[in-house]
Amino acid sequence: QKEVEQDPGPLSVPEGAIVSLNCTYSNSAFQYFMWYRQYSRKGPELLMYTYSSGNKEDGRFTAQVDKSSKYISLFIRDSQPSDSATYLCAMIKDYGQNFVFGPGTRLSVLP
Amino acid sequence: DTGVSQNPRHKITKRGQNVTFRCDPISEHNRLYWYRQTLGQGPEFLTYFQNEAQLEKSRLLSDRFSAERPKGSFSTLEIQRTEQGDSAMYLCASSLGTGEYQPQHFGDGTRLSIL
Repeated sequence: QKEVEQDPGPLSVPEGAIVSLNCTYSNSAFQYFMWYRQYSRKGPELLMYTYSSGNKEDGRFTAQVDKSSKYISLFIRDSQPSDSATYLCAMIKDYGQNFVFGPGTRLSVLP
Repeated sequence: DTGVSQNPRHKITKRGQNVTFRCDPISEHNRLYWYRQTLGQGPEFLTYFQNEAQLEKSRLLSDRFSAERPKGSFSTLEIQRTEQGDSAMYLCASSLGTGEYQPQHFGDGTRLSIL
């Protein structure tokens, strides 16, 4: 079993839809949780990060962490074609340095 | 903030050749990381530096791989005697090292193709 699991998609939604992206993980020691967006042939771009359980909102994006279920989510409201990309979750145990990434979910927002 | 810069963007080489990639981090960042990413997968950690000291290496980093950060600024990743399985995107990231979590900022990677 991989440490971090993520549905690879592809996920296709119409413009304006609410998108839900999810990751599950197996190691309860993870404390910091990140979401990155990666466009084709580009490096990952940090969207949001959260510490421990709870919610965090930034514009159209909301990140949720449920440590009891080992489950994290990213919600995108009013999705736009420009949101079409691969979304990667990542996590670390402490500010130690070994980031563990999920395989990513490909999202297509159709105009 | 000019971002993390990686060169070259694309490297094509024959199996068995040596290749070297360069990463220039964000100027005030003292932590620098190397990752490898293959198609359909997330980045896999290879190694990281705090200033010029290489503090952690993944088991993925075979003896053919070596990374340096001689003056605590730019870093190089060298692969000797390249193999087909080395074909991947090599990503560099940097962050501040303040003793608490700081987000990593990635470059756009070097894509390595082995013929």
